[in-house]
Amino acid sequence: KAGVTQTPRYLIKTRGQQVTLSCSPISGHRSVSWYQQTPGQGLQFLFEYFSETQRNKGNFPGRFSGRQFSNSRSEMNVSTLELGDSALYLCASSLYRGLDEKLFFGSGTQLSVL
Amino acid sequence: AQTVTQSQPEMSVQEAETVTLSCTYDTSESDYYLFWYKQPPSRQMILVIRQEAYKQQNATENRFSVNFQKAAKSFSLKISDSQLGDAAMYFCAYPIQGAQKLVFGQGTRLTINP
Repeated sequence: KAGVTQTPRYLIKTRGQQVTLSCSPISGHRSVSWYQQTPGQGLQFLFEYFSETQRNKGNFPGRFSGRQFSNSRSEMNVSTLELGDSALYLCASSLYRGLDEKLFFGSGTQLSVL
Repeated sequence: AQTVTQSQPEMSVQEAETVTLSCTYDTSESDYYLFWYKQPPSRQMILVIRQEAYKQQNATENRFSVNFQKAAKSFSLKISDSQLGDAAMYFCAYPIQGAQKLVFGQGTRLTINP
């Protein structure tokens, strides 16, 4: 079974541009969540989608948005990029929603904003 | 608010020896789960071990085991017979109830010396 796939692996953008990152979960998984990882702030939760609905959102500005499609694939979008958005963006999927659910992560998209 | 603290930014151990990584957390919940994730240079977060709070017995997965002290809110990871492939960042994580969201510690970088 294929794991969580994130594309692209690397991305370079300039300030003010927008970017879209893609995540394909493990087949059959319905929950997809996104995390931002930076050296200073560590791993921070962005949002979670289940059955095409955003269920939870972290403490990020409205420039960060996402969506989930009927096949559970998810995209996240960052508009008006700032230097501080440079980070590794990780996507994780799980079969259902629950405290004991194991999250399976992708290898991330490394975004650099110049 | 739930918090997770890893007080050791870096640890090193000789190959084949045992190392313990520390984690403390804060929660008012009585039943919960705790996780240790490993992030090798490939950047993909991999679940190492999971502990359910109401279980008295410490979880074990091959060479990985935990020392779970509920009253002290401590959740340390012991790696026995360390191998070169164990070199990675290790994150302790706490899932937020109802949010399908993990709160991560700041991580411990583990180096294995041959």
